[in-house]
Amino acid sequence: QVQLQESGPGLVKPSETLSLTCAVSGSSINSFYYWGWIRQPPGKGLEWIGSIYHTGSTYYNPSLRSRVTISVDTSKNQFSLRLSSLTAADTAVYYCARRVGTTENLDYWGQGILVTVSS
Amino acid sequence: QSALTQPPSASGSPGQSVTISCAGTSSDVGGYNYVSWYQQHPGKAPKLIIHAVSKRPSGVPDRFSGSRSGNTASLTVSGLQAEDEADYYCSSYAGTDNFVFGTGTKVTVL
Repeated sequence: QVQLQESGPGLVKPSETLSLTCAVSGSSINSFYYWGWIRQPPGKGLEWIGSIYHTGSTYYNPSLRSRVTISVDTSKNQFSLRLSSLTAADTAVYYCARRVGTTENLDYWGQGILVTVSS
Repeated sequence: QSALTQPPSASGSPGQSVTISCAGTSSDVGGYNYVSWYQQHPGKAPKLIIHAVSKRPSGVPDRFSGSRSGNTASLTVSGLQAEDEADYYCSSYAGTDNFVFGTGTKVTVL
């Protein structure tokens, strides 16, 4: 059974950098899937952040590209998100998910982690 | 890229059908056979229920069906059940490894 689990701080200060990690089990990071991040502000819709392939190739939402870095650690079977220059608008539930490249969908999701940006 | 347009709400009585639209452009919905639909219950992660416009993943009831006409995709839930009450989001590949989600539709079972 494929499982993804997000971890990281629940509270971050404005202007700081958010770091989240997604641990993957039941599926190898080195497989032919991509690994992505999506966020959802409270009471609002979903927003695509970006994704990474195990080779390290990254793909970012143009609206966030200047602040986002996604990396992969194949030895730990996990991938990570860094989002810099945080503002209150970045408060959201952050999800990691497995992206199927052949059909371009997200077939497995983590449970999500709420990140609040506040001083 | 702009979010795909969905109606904010839809409703139906148990056993009835409800159809949700997802309007995009020729650069996303109309340009690729990569439209997906996700179901999200309160406090839970989204769940994939339709991919590649009309394909159902294993385990998803055949009450859920997807289609597309031009730049607009649709999700139909037939034989509504209480557990179908949830938020539904469409998504489309938008080229250059980017995706766009819909604005979301809250389905209420009356």
